[in-house]
Amino acid sequence: GQQLNQSPQSMFIQEGEDVSMNCTSSSIFNTWLWYKQDPGEGPVLLIALYKAGELTSNGRLTAQFGITRKDSFLNISASIPSDVGIYFCAGPKPSGSARQLTFGSGTQLTVLP
Amino acid sequence: EPEVTQTPSHQVTQMGQEVILRCVPISNHLYFYWYRQILGQKVEFLVSFYNNEISEKSEIFDDQFSVERPDGSNFTLKIRSTKLEDSAMYFCASSQEGNEQFFGPGTRLTVL
Repeated sequence: GQQLNQSPQSMFIQEGEDVSMNCTSSSIFNTWLWYKQDPGEGPVLLIALYKAGELTSNGRLTAQFGITRKDSFLNISASIPSDVGIYFCAGPKPSGSARQLTFGSGTQLTVLP
Repeated sequence: EPEVTQTPSHQVTQMGQEVILRCVPISNHLYFYWYRQILGQKVEFLVSFYNNEISEKSEIFDDQFSVERPDGSNFTLKIRSTKLEDSAMYFCASSQEGNEQFFGPGTRLTVL
């Protein structure tokens, strides 16, 4: 089945810095979703992308749907301590009823004071 | 803001026992899902449910697993005879027509 590859696996940044992470696939996706997961909790939906080339913001977060439809990027500006967590990209199977989400392996973000 | 809720937050069971994990999806959502996450790994799809029947299931969702919507609000996952490798976080999710799935806080299942 399709896999989503996220990079980097982990990041250590200083508070106030901007951060960028990405997600790539060998298959085309029609939707990209970005989630954040805090320890011991469920994934929280941050941003949903539906069109190739689309750029969408949610506060300090900005995500882009790659024009090849095989990648997506998430940027966080002016990081703060509560940005700490694991960020997952996810997408539905391109075929069939397409409701099952495939998740990436995640980017662990640590924000240092 | 409406949210998905799950009970219990933590379930400890002996190998071979049956467990039922419960979820209350967001009230106007039509699609319901179960995912699991083994410690330190990514989230994996188990099953989706729509119109009172399973619409998709993964290879993980074998005959030991079943789902049910016993009433208008609850959505349950039953594991008939638990194995050690079933230990994981189990997440319920729900969505309307689109692909934006909203997840609950999870149930941590520990099989001894």
